[in-house]
Amino acid sequence: DVKVTQSSRYLVKRTGEKVFLECVQDMDHENMFWYRQDPGLGLRLIYFSYDVKMKEKGDIPEGYSVSREKKERFSLILESASTNQTSMYLCASSSRGGGYGYTFGSGTRLTVV
Amino acid sequence: KNQVEQSPQSLIILEGKNCTLQCNYTVSPFSNLRWYKQDTGRGPVSLTIMTFSENTKSNGRYTATLDADTKQSSLHITASQLSDSASYICVVDSGFQKLVFGTGTRLLVSP
Repeated sequence: DVKVTQSSRYLVKRTGEKVFLECVQDMDHENMFWYRQDPGLGLRLIYFSYDVKMKEKGDIPEGYSVSREKKERFSLILESASTNQTSMYLCASSSRGGGYGYTFGSGTRLTVV
Repeated sequence: KNQVEQSPQSLIILEGKNCTLQCNYTVSPFSNLRWYKQDTGRGPVSLTIMTFSENTKSNGRYTATLDADTKQSSLHITASQLSDSASYICVVDSGFQKLVFGTGTRLLVSP
Protein backbone atom coordinates (compact mmCIF):
# COMPACT_ATOMS: atom_id res chain seq x y z
CA ASP A 1 0.00 0.00 0.00
CA VAL A 2 1.18 3.47 -0.94
CA LYS A 3 2.58 5.39 1.97
CA VAL A 4 3.66 8.89 2.92
CA THR A 5 5.07 9.03 6.43
CA GLN A 6 5.53 12.17 8.51
CA SER A 7 7.93 11.76 11.37
CA SER A 8 5.83 13.36 14.12
CA ARG A 9 2.09 13.55 14.75
CA TYR A 10 2.42 16.30 17.35
CA LEU A 11 5.23 18.76 17.99
CA VAL A 12 5.61 21.62 20.46
CA LYS A 13 8.44 24.09 19.90
CA ARG A 14 9.50 27.41 21.37
CA THR A 15 9.55 30.71 19.49
CA GLY A 16 12.87 31.19 17.71
CA GLU A 17 13.74 27.50 17.53
CA LYS A 18 14.79 25.89 14.26
CA VAL A 19 12.24 23.19 13.42
CA PHE A 20 12.57 20.27 11.03
CA LEU A 21 9.54 18.40 9.71
CA GLU A 22 10.38 15.20 7.89
CA CYS A 23 8.43 13.38 5.21
CA VAL A 24 9.28 10.06 3.58
CA GLN A 25 7.44 8.30 0.75
CA ASP A 26 7.91 4.73 -0.41
CA MET A 27 6.32 4.98 -3.85
CA ASP A 28 9.32 6.22 -5.84
CA HIS A 29 7.37 9.40 -6.59
CA GLU A 30 9.14 12.28 -8.30
CA ASN A 31 6.97 15.04 -6.83
CA MET A 32 6.66 16.01 -3.19
CA PHE A 33 4.74 18.83 -1.56
CA TRP A 34 4.39 20.63 1.77
CA TYR A 35 1.10 22.25 2.76
CA ARG A 36 -0.21 23.93 5.86
CA GLN A 37 -3.85 23.72 6.86
CA ASP A 38 -5.59 26.29 9.03
CA PRO A 39 -9.28 26.48 9.99
CA GLY A 40 -11.34 28.30 7.39
CA LEU A 41 -8.41 28.63 4.99
CA GLY A 42 -8.06 25.19 3.51
CA LEU A 43 -4.74 23.77 2.41
CA ARG A 44 -2.09 26.20 1.23
CA LEU A 45 1.03 25.17 -0.65
CA ILE A 46 4.32 26.12 0.99
CA TYR A 47 6.95 24.46 -1.23
CA PHE A 48 7.15 21.62 -3.70
CA SER A 49 9.84 19.62 -5.41
CA TYR A 50 9.83 17.88 -8.79
CA ASP A 51 13.14 16.13 -8.36
CA VAL A 52 16.06 15.59 -6.04
CA LYS A 53 17.74 18.86 -5.04
CA MET A 54 14.97 20.76 -6.84
CA LYS A 55 12.55 23.07 -5.08
CA GLU A 56 9.89 25.56 -6.05
CA LYS A 57 8.06 28.12 -3.94
CA GLY A 58 4.38 27.65 -3.41
CA ASP A 59 1.87 30.26 -2.35
CA ILE A 60 3.18 30.94 1.17
CA PRO A 61 6.94 30.21 1.33
CA GLU A 62 7.90 33.05 3.69
CA GLY A 63 9.51 31.79 6.89
CA TYR A 64 10.09 28.31 5.48
CA SER A 65 12.75 26.45 3.53
CA VAL A 66 12.97 22.89 2.24
CA SER A 67 15.52 20.25 1.48
CA ARG A 68 15.37 17.26 -0.86
CA GLU A 69 18.66 15.39 -0.84
CA LYS A 70 17.11 12.00 -1.62
CA LYS A 71 14.15 11.12 -3.80
CA GLU A 72 12.13 9.61 -0.98
CA ARG A 73 12.65 12.37 1.60
CA PHE A 74 11.41 15.96 1.67
CA SER A 75 12.10 18.12 4.71
CA LEU A 76 10.38 21.34 5.72
CA ILE A 77 12.46 23.74 7.80
CA LEU A 78 11.22 26.59 9.94
CA GLU A 79 14.35 28.69 10.33
CA SER A 80 13.07 30.58 13.38
CA ALA A 81 9.69 29.36 14.52
CA SER A 82 7.02 31.94 15.30
CA THR A 83 3.61 31.59 16.90
CA ASN A 84 1.86 32.29 13.59
CA GLN A 85 3.40 29.10 12.25
CA THR A 86 1.29 27.06 14.64
CA SER A 87 -0.65 24.89 12.22
CA MET A 88 -1.29 21.45 10.77
CA TYR A 89 1.43 20.56 8.24
CA LEU A 90 0.71 18.02 5.52
CA CYS A 91 3.16 16.37 3.19
CA ALA A 92 2.07 14.82 -0.12
CA SER A 93 3.69 13.02 -3.01
CA SER A 94 2.73 12.12 -6.55
CA SER A 95 4.15 10.50 -9.64
CA ARG A 96 5.35 12.72 -12.47
CA GLY A 97 2.03 12.31 -14.27
CA GLY A 98 0.10 13.15 -11.11
CA GLY A 99 -3.57 12.26 -11.24
CA TYR A 100 -4.53 9.22 -9.23
CA GLY A 101 -1.18 8.88 -7.49
CA TYR A 102 -1.49 11.95 -5.26
CA THR A 103 -1.16 10.81 -1.62
CA PHE A 104 -1.08 12.73 1.66
CA GLY A 105 0.69 11.92 4.89
CA SER A 106 -1.13 11.87 8.21
CA GLY A 107 -0.01 15.36 9.15
CA THR A 108 2.04 17.01 11.89
CA ARG A 109 0.26 19.29 14.33
CA LEU A 110 2.88 21.92 15.24
CA THR A 111 2.38 24.27 18.16
CA VAL A 112 4.84 27.13 18.64
CA VAL A 113 4.76 28.62 22.14
CA LYS B 1 -9.11 34.19 -9.50
CA ASN B 2 -9.02 30.40 -9.17
CA GLN B 3 -11.42 29.41 -6.43
CA VAL B 4 -13.24 26.40 -5.06
CA GLU B 5 -16.27 27.02 -2.88
CA GLN B 6 -18.02 24.36 -0.86
CA SER B 7 -21.39 24.31 0.81
CA PRO B 8 -22.60 23.88 3.40
CA GLN B 9 -19.73 24.68 5.75
CA SER B 10 -21.05 22.15 8.22
CA LEU B 11 -23.83 19.61 8.36
CA ILE B 12 -25.38 17.32 10.95
CA ILE B 13 -27.40 14.29 9.83
CA LEU B 14 -28.83 11.23 11.50
CA GLU B 15 -27.18 7.89 11.00
CA GLY B 16 -28.67 6.04 8.05
CA LYS B 17 -29.73 9.20 6.22
CA ASN B 18 -28.37 10.41 2.90
CA CYS B 19 -26.71 13.76 2.26
CA THR B 20 -25.25 15.79 -0.60
CA LEU B 21 -22.31 18.16 -0.43
CA GLN B 22 -21.78 20.85 -3.03
CA CYS B 23 -18.70 22.23 -4.75
CA ASN B 24 -18.54 25.16 -7.21
CA TYR B 25 -15.30 26.10 -8.87
CA THR B 26 -13.87 28.83 -11.04
CA VAL B 27 -10.58 27.17 -11.91
CA SER B 28 -9.04 27.36 -15.35
CA PRO B 29 -7.57 25.40 -16.96
CA PHE B 30 -9.26 22.27 -15.64
CA SER B 31 -7.59 18.88 -15.46
CA ASN B 32 -9.60 16.93 -12.89
CA LEU B 33 -11.72 17.30 -9.77
CA ARG B 34 -11.12 15.29 -6.61
CA TRP B 35 -13.02 14.67 -3.42
CA TYR B 36 -11.10 13.88 -0.25
CA LYS B 37 -12.23 12.72 3.18
CA GLN B 38 -10.26 14.02 6.13
CA ASP B 39 -10.75 12.60 9.59
CA THR B 40 -9.97 14.95 12.48
CA GLY B 41 -6.22 15.25 13.00
CA ARG B 42 -5.37 13.10 9.98
CA GLY B 43 -4.35 13.68 6.37
CA PRO B 44 -6.88 13.74 3.50
CA VAL B 45 -7.70 10.46 1.80
CA SER B 46 -8.85 10.35 -1.80
CA LEU B 47 -12.45 9.29 -2.48
CA THR B 48 -12.91 10.02 -6.18
CA ILE B 49 -11.18 11.69 -9.10
CA MET B 50 -13.08 12.83 -12.20
CA THR B 51 -11.76 14.17 -15.45
CA PHE B 52 -13.59 16.55 -17.78
CA SER B 53 -15.39 13.76 -19.61
CA GLU B 54 -16.69 11.94 -16.52
CA ASN B 55 -20.11 12.84 -15.14
CA THR B 56 -20.23 10.50 -12.20
CA LYS B 57 -17.97 8.25 -10.19
CA SER B 58 -18.72 6.01 -7.24
CA ASN B 59 -16.66 4.65 -4.40
CA GLY B 60 -18.85 2.44 -2.24
CA ARG B 61 -21.50 4.63 -0.59
CA TYR B 62 -19.88 7.79 -2.01
CA THR B 63 -20.99 9.05 -5.43
CA ALA B 64 -19.51 12.16 -7.00
CA THR B 65 -20.99 14.02 -9.94
CA LEU B 66 -19.43 16.62 -12.19
CA ASP B 67 -21.04 19.17 -14.48
CA ALA B 68 -18.15 20.75 -16.34
CA ASP B 69 -20.45 23.20 -18.12
CA THR B 70 -21.74 24.80 -14.92
CA LYS B 71 -18.50 24.05 -13.03
CA GLN B 72 -20.30 22.27 -10.25
CA SER B 73 -19.70 19.01 -8.46
CA SER B 74 -21.52 17.18 -5.71
CA LEU B 75 -20.69 14.34 -3.35
CA HIS B 76 -23.61 12.16 -2.33
CA ILE B 77 -23.29 9.91 0.71
CA THR B 78 -25.80 7.10 0.96
CA ALA B 79 -26.96 5.43 4.18
CA SER B 80 -24.56 7.41 6.34
CA GLN B 81 -22.54 5.78 9.10
CA LEU B 82 -20.94 7.24 12.21
CA SER B 83 -17.54 6.73 10.55
CA ASP B 84 -18.56 9.16 7.82
CA SER B 85 -18.12 12.00 10.33
CA ALA B 86 -15.23 13.96 8.84
CA SER B 87 -14.40 16.94 6.67
CA TYR B 88 -14.91 16.53 2.93
CA ILE B 89 -12.67 18.57 0.69
CA CYS B 90 -13.23 19.37 -2.97
CA VAL B 91 -10.03 19.94 -4.96
CA VAL B 92 -9.57 21.03 -8.55
CA ASP B 93 -6.37 20.19 -10.39
CA SER B 94 -5.63 22.87 -12.97
CA GLY B 95 -2.87 20.85 -14.54
CA PHE B 96 0.80 20.33 -13.73
CA GLN B 97 -0.52 19.30 -10.30
CA LYS B 98 -1.40 22.84 -9.31
CA LEU B 99 -4.23 22.03 -6.92
CA VAL B 100 -6.89 24.48 -5.74
CA PHE B 101 -8.52 23.42 -2.48
CA GLY B 102 -11.93 24.18 -1.06
CA THR B 103 -12.19 24.86 2.65
CA GLY B 104 -14.25 21.74 3.19
CA THR B 105 -17.61 20.68 4.58
CA ARG B 106 -17.58 19.33 8.11
CA LEU B 107 -20.05 16.46 8.40
CA LEU B 108 -21.25 15.06 11.69
CA VAL B 109 -23.30 11.87 11.64
CA SER B 110 -25.34 11.58 14.80
CA PRO B 111 -26.63 8.27 16.23
